[in-house]
Amino acid sequence: EDQVTQSPEALRLQEGESSSLNCSYTVSGLRGLFWYRQDPGKGPEFLFTLYSAGEEKEKERLKATLTKKESFLHITAPKPEDSATYLCAVQAGNQFYFGTGTSLTVIP
Amino acid sequence: DGGITQSPKYLFRKEGQNVTLSCEQNLNHDAMYWYRQDPGQGLRLIYYSQIVNDFQKGDIAEGYSVSREKKESFPLTVTSAQKNPTAFYLCASSILQAGGYVADTQYFGPGTRLTVL
Repeated sequence: EDQVTQSPEALRLQEGESSSLNCSYTVSGLRGLFWYRQDPGKGPEFLFTLYSAGEEKEKERLKATLTKKESFLHITAPKPEDSATYLCAVQAGNQFYFGTGTSLTVIP
Repeated sequence: DGGITQSPKYLFRKEGQNVTLSCEQNLNHDAMYWYRQDPGQGLRLIYYSQIVNDFQKGDIAEGYSVSREKKESFPLTVTSAQKNPTAFYLCASSILQAGGYVADTQYFGPGTRLTVL
């Protein structure tokens, strides 16, 4: 069964304490892997699309990487405004599979 | 600015009532989607459409209906047959690649929170 698993479910970091969020997947025929940021009561905001193993993309304090079985979202020196839920999704064919997200809290 | 709009932001439904959620996009995207988000669960697909006047059921279509009369608009009706409609509803859109058959990155609207009274 195709599946996307995100870990940890929740993460608390001190401001400036770098860490990584994990998204592992078991779909076959991956077309793309997507990262989104979602604030409470709002729609997911697009961050990155990764298409092939070895690909990396960066945006400000965020860096997304992709292997054949998982993706990491690295957060460098996070700030309180980075607090949000980070969602991962994978595409196989025209099917999109979403993880349940990692809730990140950055403490000043 | 290009984007996706959803209205209303909050919606309250009485028992036995049908309600319609609006979704409009000006990104010129061909594909549009409706998802339902519940606490602790991943987004679940209700319906999607890749072309005007055509749409397909997703994983949880029972109790919902859609129409796609214009490329820009994809309204979702939550019918009285949907027994547990309280949730956060998200509309998304994407371009189609590979000759119009394969979707690419989905972009989401701000969401509508539906509550049953």
